[in-house]
Amino acid sequence: ETGVTQSPTHLIKTRGQQVTLRCSSQSGHNTVSWYQQALGQGPQFIFQYYREEENGRGNFPPRFSGLQFPNYSSELNVNALELDDSALYLCASSPGGGYGYTFGSGTRLTVV
Amino acid sequence: EDQVTQSPEALRLQEGESSSLNCSYTVSGLRGLFWYRQDPGKGPEFLFTLYSAGEEKEKERLKATLTKKESFLHITAPKPEDSATYLCAVHYGGSQGNLIFGKGTKLSVKP
Repeated sequence: ETGVTQSPTHLIKTRGQQVTLRCSSQSGHNTVSWYQQALGQGPQFIFQYYREEENGRGNFPPRFSGLQFPNYSSELNVNALELDDSALYLCASSPGGGYGYTFGSGTRLTVV
Repeated sequence: EDQVTQSPEALRLQEGESSSLNCSYTVSGLRGLFWYRQDPGKGPEFLFTLYSAGEEKEKERLKATLTKKESFLHITAPKPEDSATYLCAVHYGGSQGNLIFGKGTKLSVKP
């Protein structure tokens, strides 16, 4: 049984650029969530996808968008990057119903 | 207003010195309270899920308990390898399936 894998592990972007982060869900999990974790803070919910549809969103602007594919893998896209977007981005998958959230190791994004 | 508050923010223990971490929550309709361990630069690693007041779960030197307003993570005779940040999160009726996290407690265990 494979866990949740994220790519890339580290990324440096310039302010104003766009970035795409990728996540492969754990086998059998049809729900994927994305979180942003600033240094010294707990993860903050960005959005969640269930069977390719967004079914929950946190307090993040529209320039944060996502996709979930038929194989339940997922992407997080961030447009018009700002310095404050620098953080660890975490993907979590679950079989649904609020059970069994498994996190990936994250992508460390640095915006300069 | 924080919905999940963890205390203390940081805790330093000597090896073998038992202690407890606290997680208090103000949400209603709790569906689950989760404890995770997070090492620097890594994703959270699942430890426990608690669903109802009075429930307890144990794993090695860790024991998690739950009341109607808070949860405790008890660490018995900690070792240096227990050093990490411990995160508490809740899933409740109004959270649309996502987790609401506290800011974590950074635990350091010195030999």
